[in-house]
Amino acid sequence: QKEVEQDPGPLSVPEGAIVSLNCTYSNSAFQYFMWYRQYSRKGPELLMYTYSSGNKEDGRFTAQVDKSSKYISLFIRDSQPSDSATYLCAMSGTDKLIFGTGTRLQVFP
Amino acid sequence: DTAVSQTPKYLVTQMGNDKSIKCEQNLGHDTMYWYKQDSKKFLKIMFSYNNKELIINETVPNRFSPKSPDKAHLNLHINSLELGDSAVYFCASSGLAGGRSYEQYFGPGTRLTVT
Repeated sequence: QKEVEQDPGPLSVPEGAIVSLNCTYSNSAFQYFMWYRQYSRKGPELLMYTYSSGNKEDGRFTAQVDKSSKYISLFIRDSQPSDSATYLCAMSGTDKLIFGTGTRLQVFP
Repeated sequence: DTAVSQTPKYLVTQMGNDKSIKCEQNLGHDTMYWYKQDSKKFLKIMFSYNNKELIINETVPNRFSPKSPDKAHLNLHINSLELGDSAVYFCASSGLAGGRSYEQYFGPGTRLTVT
C-alpha cells in the first residue's frame, strides 16, 4: 500500500463547476500537507499548504485537512479552463515530501 | 528570470551510455533535490542536499551519483543507462529543509529517453 493514495482521474468538468480533489494517507506522522499544480511539460508549482488539521482558503481554492481520517481535499470554485492541469497532493513529516500520483483535471469551456 | 534551471531539457541516448544532467538555482536556497517522475506522473525523491551535504539518499541504484559543487548547483550523473531510467527528472530547491521544506521550486524537467 502506498503512503499516499490519489485518484488519477482524469476528471473532466465544465467551466464554472466546483471541483473536489482528494488524497488519503497512512502515515500519522505527516504534519505538512500541500497541493502542487503541474501543467503539461512543466515542473510542479506549489498551490497551497496547510500545517496540521483545518481549512485554508486562497481565492477560488480551499484546502482541507482531516488528520483523524487521514484525508485531505482541495476544492476549486468557479473552475476555469486555465485550471486544466495535474494536481499533486504532497505531505511531509520530519524529512522528505511524499507525493500522490496526481489527478489530471480538464476544464472545458 | 529563471529560478531553477536544468540542462538539457531533452536527452535521448542508448542503453549503456553515461550521461549528466545539470541544475542551477538563483533563489539563494540551501537545499536542493532530484526527483524522478515516471510515465504515470508519480514523483519520487531521489536525493537531497543541504548546503552541499547529502541529507537524503533514497533507494536508488548506485549508477546514479549526485554532486553538489556549491549550494546553487546540483548535478546528476547516470552510468550505464537502462531502459527503466527513461523518465522526467526534476531538480528542485527550497529555503527550508526537512519536513518544513513544503515550498519547493521545481525546474522545468529533463526528459530522458533511453533506447
